[in-house]
Amino acid sequence: TQLLEQSPQFLSIQEGENLTVYCNSSSVFSSLQWYRQEPGEGPVLLVTVVTGGEVKKLKRLTFQFGDARKDSSLHITAAQPGDTGLYLCAGRENYGQNFVFGPGTRLSVLP
Amino acid sequence: GAGVSQSPSNKVTEKGKDVELRCDPISGHTALYWYRQRLGQGLEFLIYFQGNSAPDKSGLPSDRFSAERTGESVSTLTIQRTQQEDSAVYLCASSQSGLAGGEQFFGPGTRLTVL
Repeated sequence: TQLLEQSPQFLSIQEGENLTVYCNSSSVFSSLQWYRQEPGEGPVLLVTVVTGGEVKKLKRLTFQFGDARKDSSLHITAAQPGDTGLYLCAGRENYGQNFVFGPGTRLSVLP
Repeated sequence: GAGVSQSPSNKVTEKGKDVELRCDPISGHTALYWYRQRLGQGLEFLIYFQGNSAPDKSGLPSDRFSAERTGESVSTLTIQRTQQEDSAVYLCASSQSGLAGGEQFFGPGTRLTVL
């Protein structure tokens, strides 16, 4: 089983600031997903990336999959309080059925 | 229903008792997953169903944990002789086919507290 690391573990910023969170592994993933989870709810899928070097944008969120498909980043521009939550990355290994989840980055955006 | 539902939403039990957690996936979704999330942590994979069979049970932490799925619909996760370390939120997710890159739709979870 591959181990996914996420950094930072916690991040507290002011509204309007930019931020980047990271997801890293020593192994290659066939695809990687980012989820956001709010308190008391299940995670909600934000994006799936499958190609090395792929960049996807979702409004103020930019996701990048590393060229070697071992890492990914999530950049948020002009963060808003509504972006507050736990950001989880999940990697699928060897085209298997399961995704391995990282421990998450807990983001707090203060108004 | 429109989404994945789980019941109960909260369960408090005494150490040593058995508990049963229920998941109702989205209608037509053939794949169903169970995860455990301890306080402040990420998701720990427990078991995966494709239809009514479970090709991957590798995440079940001990033989006190079991799960079944009937009619390619409802699934139950049973924990026997609960221990305090079983306290966590248990999340269920379903996806259309379980194939590569499929989106998993999560339920709100069952918060289990073992006293």
